[in-house]
Amino acid sequence: GAGVSQSPSNKVTEKGKDVELRCDPISGHTALYWYRQSLGQGLEFLIYFQGNSAPDKSGLPSDRFSAERTGGSVSTLTIQRTQQEDSAVYLCASSLLGGGAGANYGYTFGSGTRLTVV
Amino acid sequence: DAKTTQPNSMESNEEEPVHLPCNHSTISGTDYIHWYRQLPSQGPEYVIHGLTSNVNNRMASLAIAEDRKSSTLILHRATLRDAAVYYCILRDQWNYGGSQGNLIFGKGTKLSVKP
Repeated sequence: GAGVSQSPSNKVTEKGKDVELRCDPISGHTALYWYRQSLGQGLEFLIYFQGNSAPDKSGLPSDRFSAERTGGSVSTLTIQRTQQEDSAVYLCASSLLGGGAGANYGYTFGSGTRLTVV
Repeated sequence: DAKTTQPNSMESNEEEPVHLPCNHSTISGTDYIHWYRQLPSQGPEYVIHGLTSNVNNRMASLAIAEDRKSSTLILHRATLRDAAVYYCILRDQWNYGGSQGNLIFGKGTKLSVKP
C-alpha cells in the first residue's frame, strides 16, 4: 500500500484481556518497528523485525508482550493479560532496509493504535 | 548511538524562517543525521536526513556543520501546520549490534508557530 496501515485505530479492553494489534507495512520494506507512546511521553522502542526475524526485542517491557511477522509483511503485536499501564498509542514503522544498512533510509510511521485498558 | 541535544521549545512567527538546532558533539563518522517531526495526535513523520553535505527537500533544509558536531533544520517559511515536536536522531550505518541502528527518540524540540 501507499503507507503503513495499522488496525484497529482505537481499542478499549478490560484489564486482564488479551489484545492483538496489526501493522501492514509499505510493500517491499524489509524492516518493521514497533514503538509505543504513553500520554504526554516520548516514543519508546519495543521491537525491530528484519524480514520475519526479530534481531532486537530489547524494548519489550515484559513477557506479556510478543510480536511476530509473517511473509516478510504483516506484523502482529500481542499483549496478554493487559494492565492499565499498557494504555498508550502503539506505533508501527517500516523502512526499506534495517540495521546499519538502513541508516540511509527514513522510516514511515503509521497513525497508530490507541489502546485503553479499563 | 551517539546522543543529541536540542532545546526543549522554540517559538516562531508564521511565514518567517525557523532554524532548529541540534548538537551532537560525539557523532561518529558513520552516523547519519535524521530529523523527524510529530504533529499533535499523529505518528512521527520523516523530514530529512544527511551524512556530511547540506540537504534540501520539499519540506526543509538540513545544514550540517563542517565538523559535524551540530546541525540545523531550516523551515524556510513556517506555517501553522509546522507546529510540532521536532526530533534530531543519529543512526549509525555500522551498528549491527546493540540498538541495531534503530531510531531512538529523545524529547525533541516543541515548535510553536504564532499567526
